[in-house]
Amino acid sequence: EAQVTQNPRYLITVTGKKLTVTCSQNMNHEYMSWYRQDPGLGLRQIYYSMNVEVTDKGDVPEGYKVSRKEKRNFPLILESPSPNQTSLYFCASSFDISMNTEAFFGQGTRLTVV
Amino acid sequence: AQTVTQSQPEMSVQEAETVTLSCTYDTSENNYYLFWYKQPPSRQMILVIRQEAYKQQNATENRFSVNFQKAAKSFSLKISDSQLGDTAMYFCAFISLNFGNEKLTFGTGTRLTIIP
Repeated sequence: EAQVTQNPRYLITVTGKKLTVTCSQNMNHEYMSWYRQDPGLGLRQIYYSMNVEVTDKGDVPEGYKVSRKEKRNFPLILESPSPNQTSLYFCASSFDISMNTEAFFGQGTRLTVV
Repeated sequence: AQTVTQSQPEMSVQEAETVTLSCTYDTSENNYYLFWYKQPPSRQMILVIRQEAYKQQNATENRFSVNFQKAAKSFSLKISDSQLGDTAMYFCAFISLNFGNEKLTFGTGTRLTIIP
């Protein structure tokens, strides 16, 4: 089954404790990206990657890191989480930048930083 | 930088009626895609419909259709014969196809409720 898998689905952590949210897709997609969703703000793109070893900042990259060492994986790293990073996070992938084929989203990760 | 505006935070309509959700965007580019995504209570993001900017013909997917006005930078979604399962948040989104600016930008969403 074609899918994007995020883990964990829910996470509560403390300020400053490094964490990683994993994202994996099994569709050989080139384009992957991360978003955060906050009430009244919609989804905002954090980082995106057009292919292996190619990553670029989205609209809200501060406080986040990503890597794309393999085509299927695109982890989101919070080196020192802060309460303002409490949010709902989505990973997504599509075959190419045009998203001409369907874009697939993960199930979301609800992160709470206390 | 491009922006996407959805001016209707919430809407409701009776089942079987037609509803139109509005979306405007601002960009200086000519080569881009526009999308409508649906997010039901399950939180899953589901692509409803997409429109290529170079196509003049409005996209249609079953009960969903768009009114794409490129000059006005408007991209509204029409849902015909609305069903209870259409209750969800709807997001309009824009992506540029120009090198170095391939960010996907979403609007703030419209919460649509279908009333039985």
